[in-house]
Parts: sequence; structure tokens; C-alpha cells
Amino acid sequence: AQSVTQLDSHVSVSEGTPVLLRCNYSSSYSPSLFWYVQHPNKGLQLLLKYTSAATLVKGINGFEAEFKKSETSFHLTKPSAHMSDAAEYFCVVRRNYGQNFVFGPGTRLSVLP
Amino acid sequence: GAGVSQSPRYKVTKRGQDVALRCDPISGHVSLYWYRQALGQGPEFLTYFNYEAQQDKSGLPNDRFSAERPEGSISTLTIQRTEQRDSAMYRCASSSPDRGGLIFELFFGEGSRLTVL
Repeated sequence: AQSVTQLDSHVSVSEGTPVLLRCNYSSSYSPSLFWYVQHPNKGLQLLLKYTSAATLVKGINGFEAEFKKSETSFHLTKPSAHMSDAAEYFCVVRRNYGQNFVFGPGTRLSVLP
Repeated sequence: GAGVSQSPRYKVTKRGQDVALRCDPISGHVSLYWYRQALGQGPEFLTYFNYEAQQDKSGLPNDRFSAERPEGSISTLTIQRTEQRDSAMYRCASSSPDRGGLIFELFFGEGSRLTVL
């Protein structure tokens, strides 16, 4: 069965420094992978998606993620953190040939001034 | 409507009472999902519909939970005989598949926070 693991429950970075949020997936075949962001007291918003096209995926607000099959990873990165990036980030895998989206436990990103 | 609308936004109830949570999806969206999110955790899949048909209810935790979407638009998630462990944020999302039949983005509402005393 498909699942995702987010290795860090909390990541703290200084404003202007790079962001790395880690995600590893488990799937018996090539999955579709997503990153969602949740700002406090807001709904969930799609950041980016991988659907077996280019392995490097660019999303909104300067975020990108790289699909690495050999490492079963889909880590989220951003070159320079902004205060507004502080939020909860969820890595998601879709069960192909079904429409069930499975969310990871989330990583809370704090951005320090 | 412009986005997914959920009501009520906050519901406080006593243990043993029934509650009904409503979701009004984005107009025209075929698929509708229900998720439950406990504090500090990721959303947990409950069930989803295509039109009025419930496609997958494997995430419903027990038979006190049920969902319906009778006309293929608005959906209601009902919890009977609520228990304290049912306290959580209940999130609804809607979408439509592409021509290949796959969904690539879920549009979420702001959720209904349920507190069972």
C-alpha cells in the first residue's frame, strides 16, 4: 500500500536561508506525489505535484521538489525562506487507479527573523 | 460557489449526541472527499464520492460514521452517538478528474471543528 513518511515533525530556519523538508514514499509502482501547505486557521493548498513527467517540479511561492526513484524521495526545497513560509507542510501520495490521497503526518516550518 | 464551503465551522456537542457536518463543493466538481484531522496530525482519509456514488468508504472508522451525497452536489457527514475521541477537524475537498480519469488537485474547505464534551 502507498504511504509517505515525513522525517521531521518540525524544521526551523532563519529568514533568507534555504529550506529542506523531507519526504519518503512507499509504493509498489510509480506514484503521483504532491505537497500541500496549511497556514494557521486556513484550508490546505496545493504547492506542487509530480505525475511522472519531469522529475524536478516547480510550484508556487518559489518552492520545488525533486522525485528520486532510487531514493524513494520527494523532498521539498526553497532557496531562501520568507517569513510568510511559516506553515505546516504535508507530503501526499495518490493511490493510482484509485482516487484516494494519503497524507503524511506533516512538517511544521518555523522561520526566524 | 467560489470555493468549498463547510458548515458549521465550529460544533460543540455532548457525548452521545448525533452531529451532521455539511459540505458544499465547488460548483461542477464531480468528486467530493471527507478527511479527519486530529491536532498535530495529517488529514486522514474517510470517504469519497463521484457524483452521488460513494466510491470508497474504507476510511470510516466504524459504523457510527456515515456520509451521503444524494444529488451529487452537497454532502453530509453524520456521526451518531458521538464520543470524545471523535473530536477533530473534519475537512471536505472537491475536484474533477481530467480526461484520463485522474484527479490532480484537491480543493479544500476551511473545515468543521468538532468538539465532543
